[in-house]
Formats: sequence, structure tokens, C-alpha cells
Amino acid sequence: NAGVTQTPKFQVLKTGQSMTLQCAQDMNHNSMYWYRQDPGMGLRLIYYSASEGTTDKGEVPNGYNVSRLNKREFSLRLESAAPSQTSVYFCASSGGTGLLLFYEQYFGPGTRLTVT
Amino acid sequence: DAKTTQPPSMDCAEGRAANLPCNHSTISGNEYVYWYRQIHSQGPQYIIHGLKNNETNEMASLIITEDRKSSTLILPHATLRDTAVYYCIVRGYTNAGKSTFGDGTTLTVKP
Repeated sequence: NAGVTQTPKFQVLKTGQSMTLQCAQDMNHNSMYWYRQDPGMGLRLIYYSASEGTTDKGEVPNGYNVSRLNKREFSLRLESAAPSQTSVYFCASSGGTGLLLFYEQYFGPGTRLTVT
Repeated sequence: DAKTTQPPSMDCAEGRAANLPCNHSTISGNEYVYWYRQIHSQGPQYIIHGLKNNETNEMASLIITEDRKSSTLILPHATLRDTAVYYCIVRGYTNAGKSTFGDGTTLTVKP
């Protein structure tokens, strides 16, 4: 099992450019998540998907859109990148549902994004 | 939603038990306590979770006070590879979307 994979690993964008971060999991998990981590800080939830076909906003959704393409894949799109979106982006998946939605999340290796 | 308070840093001698505290005085009845850790710049790793009973797995033990307002993560025999940032998170279904990890505790295990 590859677990959670993310592409690309690194990306540099200019202000105003758009891009899509890809995430896939092979653990048959229902729930998937996108986080961002700024230097020296903890992770903040951007969006999550509790099941295929549903998505919900996290704590910092502005400037992002997501697509739960199927059970395996959950993509994050930046429509018009801004320097404030320079961060490390982590995707995660979990078999937890309901009250245990946050249970045992498995994280990908991260995408390091710089917006100039 | 329940917030957590953790000390910013702790040291522990290799081979000794590491006890990491977390305060969550506003926890509600259906919220679980989760612990994750992040080694260097890797993605976080799940450690353990609990509701009100103490829990143990192959990595750690979780002690939750009877009033559930605080908990302690115990690494029984810390190794150098346990050096990481440890996050205590309190979440239930209704506030799962607010799953910020906070700043955590940086544990440094010293030889």
C-alpha cells in the first residue's frame, strides 16, 4: 500500500496563477482532509470530505476549492494564488466516521508551495 | 469548541518515561481526545485517542482525568526517535471542521 500520496512535492507560483494539488489514498477510507501548515505553526484544516460526494469547510477555506473526485481522490485548487498561501499542504485520510471523524488520520508527505 | 493548552517544550532523558500534559477544561461530553505527533517536517502521525477511560496501545498510554478536563500522554520508554512535536486535539462530530492542531509540545529526548 502506498498510503496517502500527494503531487507535486514542491511548487513555485507567481501571484495570480492557479494550480491544483492532487491527493490519493489506497486504504478505502471514507474521509479525506486538506490542511495547511505555516512555518512554526500547527496544522489548520482547509476543507474535509466525510464521504464520497460531500465536502465541508474547515477553519481556513477562503481562497481554496476542493473536489472529491471519487472515494480515492481529493483535490485542492487555488484559483488565484496569493503570497499568504505560501505554506506546506498536507492531505490526510481516515476510516473514521460520525463521532470519530477525526480518528486515526493518515497523512501524505506534503506539498511545499511558495507564491512569489 | 474545546480548546487545548500544552506546554511549548519539554525534555526527557532517553529510556525514561515522557509525560506530556494537556488541558482541555471546556471539553464536552461527546468529544474525544486525540494525540498526534509530527517528526521534523513529515506529516503528523496518529498516536492514540480516548473518550473517558484510560487507553493503551503499542506506542503510548493516555490518562484522562475523571472530570475529563485534562489528559496526559505517556511514552513509557522514550527513545531519540520520539523527538517530535506532540499535538493534543479535542474533537467531536459537530466540530470536526475546526480541527486545528494548535502549537503542540516540542519533546526533545536527550541521550
